[in-house]
Amino acid sequence: ETGVTQSPTHLIKTRGQQVTLRCSSQSGHNTVSWYQQALGQGPQFIFQYYREEENGRGNFPPRFSGLQFPNYSSELNVNALELDDSALYLCASSLFGQVMNTEAFFGQGTRLTVV
Amino acid sequence: KQEVTQIPAALSVPEGENLVLNCSFTDSAIYNLQWFRQDPGKGLTSLLLIQSSQREQTSGRLNASLDKSSGRSTLYIAASQPGDSATYLCAVRAGTALIFGKGTTLSVSS
Repeated sequence: ETGVTQSPTHLIKTRGQQVTLRCSSQSGHNTVSWYQQALGQGPQFIFQYYREEENGRGNFPPRFSGLQFPNYSSELNVNALELDDSALYLCASSLFGQVMNTEAFFGQGTRLTVV
Repeated sequence: KQEVTQIPAALSVPEGENLVLNCSFTDSAIYNLQWFRQDPGKGLTSLLLIQSSQREQTSGRLNASLDKSSGRSTLYIAASQPGDSATYLCAVRAGTALIFGKGTTLSVSS
């Protein structure tokens, strides 16, 4: 059973650029969620994908977008990067069913620095 | 709006001590509560998941309790070790999102 993997581990971008982060979910999981964690803070929910569609979104602007692929892997895209987008981006996978009570497993994160 | 608070923000203990980390949440309508460990600059490692219908879960030296009606959870760590030094986060699931506290940073000295 493979865990959640994210790539790249570190990334430096210039303000105004666009970035794509990638995530492979844990084997058997059908749901992927993305979180942003600023230094010294708890992770903040960006959005969740299930069956290749967004099925929940936190308080993030539309320049944060995502995709989920048939193999349940996922991408997080951020356009028009701002300095405040500098953070650790975490991907989590879980199994979504009729009762939403499954354990979430996280990847090691991507550290994004915007300069 | 669900809010999660963790007290204390930081804790330093000598090796071998038993300790309790606290987590409180404002809305008792949750599906489950999960405790995580985070090492500096790393991702989250799941420690324990407690369903809303459960009162506690145990894994090795860790025991987590849940009192949904009062909006509280505790993580008990027995016989602490230097390797337990990390930030501990609790999160509640009330919908699609996990809502996190800011964490408790634990330092165990040898």
